[in-house]
Amino acid sequence: QQPVQSPQAVILREGEDAVINCSSSKALYSVHWYRQKHGEAPVFLMILLKGGEQKGHDKISASFNEKKQQSSLYLTASQLSYSGTYFCGTGFTGKLIFGQGTTLQVKP
Amino acid sequence: DGGITQSPKYLFRKEGQNVTLSCEQNLNHDAMYWYRQDPGQGLRLIYYSQIVNDFQKGDIAEGYSVSREKKESFPLTVTSAQKNPTAFYLCASGLAGSYYNEQFFGPGTRLTVL
Repeated sequence: QQPVQSPQAVILREGEDAVINCSSSKALYSVHWYRQKHGEAPVFLMILLKGGEQKGHDKISASFNEKKQQSSLYLTASQLSYSGTYFCGTGFTGKLIFGQGTTLQVKP
Repeated sequence: DGGITQSPKYLFRKEGQNVTLSCEQNLNHDAMYWYRQDPGQGLRLIYYSQIVNDFQKGDIAEGYSVSREKKESFPLTVTSAQKNPTAFYLCASGLAGSYYNEQFFGPGTRLTVL
C-alpha cells in the first residue's frame, strides 16, 4: 500500500536537473509532495489532484498520471537549498500514506 | 503566530515506562495526525483524528494510544507494549479532507528509550 519512490538517492551539481518518481499500486485521488531537511519537520511543496488541479510551490513542477497511478516531481536548475529528503504521499479518505523518501544532495 | 508545537524536543525514558508526547495547534484545523519516522522508512501513520472525540488507527497503532478531547490538542502515549519505541515522532494538522489539503508538521519529538 505504501507508494514506491525512485530513485532512493540522487547527487547533483548546482544547476542540474532531477526527477523523482512516485508509484502506487492503488488508484490515486491525490499525490502530495513534501521536503524534509535533516532533523526538521517536512514542509509542503505541492498537491496534485485527480482531474488535473494542482496546489503549491510555484517554482517546482510535477505531473500526475492517474491511469498509471504515478507522479513525478521535477527539480530544474537545482540550488543548494534543494538538498533534503523528498516524500510523496498518496491521499485516501482521511489520511495520507507516505513513500520511503528520496534523498537529494546538491553540491556546489 | 499560528503553528504546531510539540514538546519536548528530546525525551529519554527507561524501558517499560509509558510516556506522553504533546502536540498542540492553533491553526483551527479539524484534522490531526501522528507519524513515526525511522531511518530509511519514511513517515508511518500511527493515529489520526478528523474531529474532536474521534480518532482512527493508522498502519502502526499497536503499542500507542491517543485522545482528542480538544480541537487544539492531540497527545500521543507510547506504552510499554510498544516493542521498539525509539524513533522520531511527528505531529501534523490540516483542514478536514486530507487528500486534497496539505498537512502542516510540528518540529518533532525524538524519543530514546534506554
